[in-house]
Amino acid sequence: AQSVAQPEDQVNVAEGNPLTVKCTYSVSGNPYLFWYVQYPNRGLQFLLKYITGDNLVKGSYGFEAEFNKSQTSFHLKKPSALVSDSALYFCAVRDFLSGGSYIPTFGRGTSLIVHP
Amino acid sequence: ETGVTQSPTHLIKTRGQQVTLRCSSQSGHNTVSWYQQALGQGPQFIFQYYREEENGRGNFPPRFSGLQFPNYSSELNVNALELDDSALYLCASSLPSGRTDEQYFGPGTRLTVT
Repeated sequence: AQSVAQPEDQVNVAEGNPLTVKCTYSVSGNPYLFWYVQYPNRGLQFLLKYITGDNLVKGSYGFEAEFNKSQTSFHLKKPSALVSDSALYFCAVRDFLSGGSYIPTFGRGTSLIVHP
Repeated sequence: ETGVTQSPTHLIKTRGQQVTLRCSSQSGHNTVSWYQQALGQGPQFIFQYYREEENGRGNFPPRFSGLQFPNYSSELNVNALELDDSALYLCASSLPSGRTDEQYFGPGTRLTVT
């Protein structure tokens, strides 16, 4: 089965500083990777995805992610953090269902806290 | 905001009881997936429905069951509730085959079992 790992439970960063939320993956075949964000008392929102092509993927709200095949990583980044970016971030990998469809399989999540 | 809605928002049940959670999918989406998100964990896949048939199932016991209706709305039923069933239950809708990993989530139902 495909899987992702998020090694940090929490990331703290000052507003205006760059942020990185880490994710590594383990897959058979080509990886299809995603980032989702969850704000308090809300469902998950899709941020961006990597399928193929450029290793730097741009997504919503100024976020981007860097795919690195040699390090099997897909880290989420933003050049300048905002207090409103504080949320739970989930990395996910495309997994195959026996019924012929796909689902995202999620990591444990990383809590991002941006301090004013 | 996605067009996926879930009801109720919160509910409290007693161990051994049964519960039904409801989900309306985003317009044009005929595939619905359900997830359980325990506190401090990522969402865990329960099952997926496509055209009213179960299309795949995660590692959950048979007391977790579901339905999908002709209008693509869906229900999650849990029988014989256990304390460990306390979690946020998320519904997600998606386009059919090839696009089902791009999922649009509802706000969730917070279930507390006492």
